[in-house]
Amino acid sequence: DGGITQSPKYLFRKEGQNVTLSCEQNLNHDAMYWYRQDPGQGLRLIYYSQIVNDFQKGDIAEGYSVSREKKESFPLTVTSAQKNPTAFYLCASSVPGTGTKAFFGQGTRLTVV
Amino acid sequence: SQQGEEDPQALSIQEGENATMNCSYKTSINNLQWYRQNSGRGLVHLILIRSNEREKHSGRLRVTLDTSKKSSSLLITASRAADTASYFCATANFGNEKLTFGTGTRLTIIP
Repeated sequence: DGGITQSPKYLFRKEGQNVTLSCEQNLNHDAMYWYRQDPGQGLRLIYYSQIVNDFQKGDIAEGYSVSREKKESFPLTVTSAQKNPTAFYLCASSVPGTGTKAFFGQGTRLTVV
Repeated sequence: SQQGEEDPQALSIQEGENATMNCSYKTSINNLQWYRQNSGRGLVHLILIRSNEREKHSGRLRVTLDTSKKSSSLLITASRAADTASYFCATANFGNEKLTFGTGTRLTIIP
C-alpha cells in the first residue's frame, strides 16, 4: 500500500533528552513536511523539504532539526532546546507543482515525562 | 503564523442538517484546500479550489472562494454522524510549496 508511515505512534521522553521521530513515504513525493499540533489547535509548520538534501525552516523551527538524505525519509529530531515539546507531530508529503495537495501520516504523540 | 482562521471554532448540528464553516486568510494565494481530521489521527484532503475559481463541488461538499474578501466557505450537505471531525482550511502560496493551516472548526453531528 502506498502512503506515509510515522513511528512510533506514542513516544515518551525525559526532559533533557533528544528524540527522533520517523517519517517514511513510498509515494515518490519530492516534498515533505513536519507539523506540530497542540490540543485544540491548528497545525504549525516546523520544517519542510522540497527536494533531497535541502530543507527550509517553517514557523516554529527552534529546538528542532531535520535531515533529508533520502527521498522517502524525513526524520525530525526534537532536541533538548525545545522547551515545550509535548504535542502531536504530523508528517506530510506532496508532489511539487500540483497545488501542494498533502498526504498525511497518522501522527506521533510525544509526551515529556 | 496562522494564515487561515476558521469560524466558528465549534459547531454542533442535528444529523441531516447542513453545516457551513468559514475560513479567512491574509495574503494572496495559489489555492485553498480543506482537510478533515478525526480525533487523534492524521489529516485527509477533501477538496482544493484554485485562486481563479469561485466554487467547487465534490459529493456532499461545496466550497466557495472569494479572493476579494480573502475568504472561503465549506458547506457539507445532509450531514451524517460520520462527518463528526475537525475541519481545517489550508493555503498554498505562489513560488513555494509551503502549506499553511488555519485553526480549525470542530464539527459535531448529533444523531
